[in-house]
Amino acid sequence: QKEVEQDPGPLSVPEGAIVSLNCTYSNSAFQYFMWYRQYSRKGPELLMYTYSSGNKEDGRFTAQVDKSSKYISLFIRDSQPSDSATYLCAMSSLLTGGGNKLTFGTGTQLKVEL
Amino acid sequence: GAVVSQHPSRVICKSGTSVKIECRSLDFQATTMFWYRQFPKQSLMLMATSNEGSKATYEQGVEKDKFLINHASLTLSTLTVTSAHPEDSSFYICSGLSGGIQETQYFGPGTRLLVL
Repeated sequence: QKEVEQDPGPLSVPEGAIVSLNCTYSNSAFQYFMWYRQYSRKGPELLMYTYSSGNKEDGRFTAQVDKSSKYISLFIRDSQPSDSATYLCAMSSLLTGGGNKLTFGTGTQLKVEL
Repeated sequence: GAVVSQHPSRVICKSGTSVKIECRSLDFQATTMFWYRQFPKQSLMLMATSNEGSKATYEQGVEKDKFLINHASLTLSTLTVTSAHPEDSSFYICSGLSGGIQETQYFGPGTRLLVL
């Protein structure tokens, strides 16, 4: 079993839809959770960084962490064609010092259609 | 956010040659940098952790003599793929670890290597 599970998609939604992206994990030591967006042939771009359980909002993006269920989500409101990309969840533990040594999900490919 | 650059963005080389990839943190000092490789439609696989002024730590299965890493300054790390073979063709991405309260990794744009 992988430490981090993420549905690879592809996920196709119409413009304006609310998108829900999810990851589950098995390592209870994970304390830091991140979402990265990666456009084709580009490096990942940090979107959200969360530490505690609960919600964190930034513009159209909301990150949600449920440590009791070992489940994290990224919601995108009013999705745009420019949101079409691969979304990677990543996490790390106190043992590896916060942002050190990230464990990534496989990434979910999202396509927002006009 | 913090900016990381990579050079070159794309390189094509003949089998048996060596290729050097540079990773620079442009607006912050990165005492730690990471090197990843990514195959098409797959996630990032950590190759090694590079600390300024010391030897890199390689992940299991990564040949340190084949993938030479040098982290000579707080803003520059290099990855040299020695005696490259077609199976080394991949997308290589570096990241720099920022400091501060929310220490996290910022990634470069990646280098696409094609070995013929």
